[in-house]
Amino acid sequence: EVQLVESGGGLLQPGGSLRLSCAASGFTFRNYAMSWVRQAPGKGLEWVSAITGSGGSTYYADSVNGRFTISRDNSKSTMYLQMNSLRAEDTAVYYCAKEKRGVRDAFDIWGQGTMVTVSS
Amino acid sequence: DIQMTQSPSTLSASVGDRVTITCRASQSISSWLAWYQQKPGKAPNLLIYEASNLESGVPSRFSGSGSGTEFTLTISSLQPDDFATYYCQQYNSYPLPFGGGTKVEIK
Repeated sequence: EVQLVESGGGLLQPGGSLRLSCAASGFTFRNYAMSWVRQAPGKGLEWVSAITGSGGSTYYADSVNGRFTISRDNSKSTMYLQMNSLRAEDTAVYYCAKEKRGVRDAFDIWGQGTMVTVSS
Repeated sequence: DIQMTQSPSTLSASVGDRVTITCRASQSISSWLAWYQQKPGKAPNLLIYEASNLESGVPSRFSGSGSGTEFTLTISSLQPDDFATYYCQQYNSYPLPFGGGTKVEIK
């Protein structure tokens, strides 16, 4: 079964750091670009960041550029999101998503999400 | 960067109705558009990719059309399971923004 499982969410104070993980199974992980998408409480979906299958190229939304870093370890079939200098507006459910056919494609598989709360 | 605008933001409809949701891109994205359905507390689910291709397992009452800057998602006969929020997303170029969403409510 193709599956994505996020972990690492939690409650932290503004200015703090957190690393999210997304563990993949059921497909050849290295062949697919992956993304992080977030959803603030009661709000719509916001694309956050993407990484190509090799990890050689990364992309970020303006709202997180310079604060978040996406990476992947293909030997562990796992993607990461390192989040630094967190702000209240980063509070959201964070989903990882697999691109359907490789690079810059629709997201056909999503994880269940992990909640990040930034509050003093 | 490309911006995506969906309309309406909320839609009230009855079971059996034909429903149409519109998505506009701020510049041409060819056919690189996806539609997702999301239910409360759940991850989004891919319905349509490349503007008009039905994802495997998605009921045939869902269809997509359009190219360039204007796109539509149509539900031919609304079913009780279809009351949800729908999002479009462009994937022509990074960043990959979503539309603001359309909530389909029971009339």
